Amino acid sequence: GQQLNQSPQSMFIQEGEDVSMNCTSSSIFNTWLWYKQDPGEGPVLLIALYKAGELTSNGRLTAQFGITRKDSFLNISASIPSDVGIYFCAGQPPGGNEKLTFGTGTRLTIIP
Amino acid sequence: NAGVTQTPKFRILKIGQSMTLQCAQDMNHNYMYWYRQDPGMGLKLIYYSVGAGITDKGEVPNGYNVSRSTTEDFPLRLELAAPSQTSVYFCASTYYSSNQPQHFGDGTRLSIL
Repeated sequence: GQQLNQSPQSMFIQEGEDVSMNCTSSSIFNTWLWYKQDPGEGPVLLIALYKAGELTSNGRLTAQFGITRKDSFLNISASIPSDVGIYFCAGQPPGGNEKLTFGTGTRLTIIP
Repeated sequence: NAGVTQTPKFRILKIGQSMTLQCAQDMNHNYMYWYRQDPGMGLKLIYYSVGAGITDKGEVPNGYNVSRSTTEDFPLRLELAAPSQTSVYFCASTYYSSNQPQHFGDGTRLSIL
């Protein structure tokens, strides 16, 4: 099946810092989604991207759908303690209306 | 609204035992999914359903079975539990397409010893 490479695997930052993470694929996707998972809970959708080049914001979060359709980026500005968690990218391939492929996640930790 | 409800939250099984993980949604969603999440890994699709009476295999279906007799319920069955099935299982649903927001349950943590 298709593979999504997500990096970095983990990040240790101080409160107030900006965060950047990305997701790359060997094949194209029609849709990119970014989810956040808090400990002991299921993932929650943060941002959905539907068009190559699209740049979408949700509060302090900004995500972009790469022009090549093989990558996507998520930025978090001015991190706060509640940003701690695991961030997953997910992509919907062409013709794969029913299924998503998930990345392996980026674990964000904020150092006091 | 309850959203997606998974039961049980935790379970320990012995090798060879069987069990059913329950999933119910009250949002009238057509699409439902079962994923497993191994430690430090992303979500892998086990089975999915696009409507009552319709199910299909995902990426890792071996050792599992599903049924979808109603829109609301999508149970996942393990017939002969194996240690490799130790994982956290998530059920999700969405209205009409996987690129729409998938609503996830809180997961079932399953250990097989």
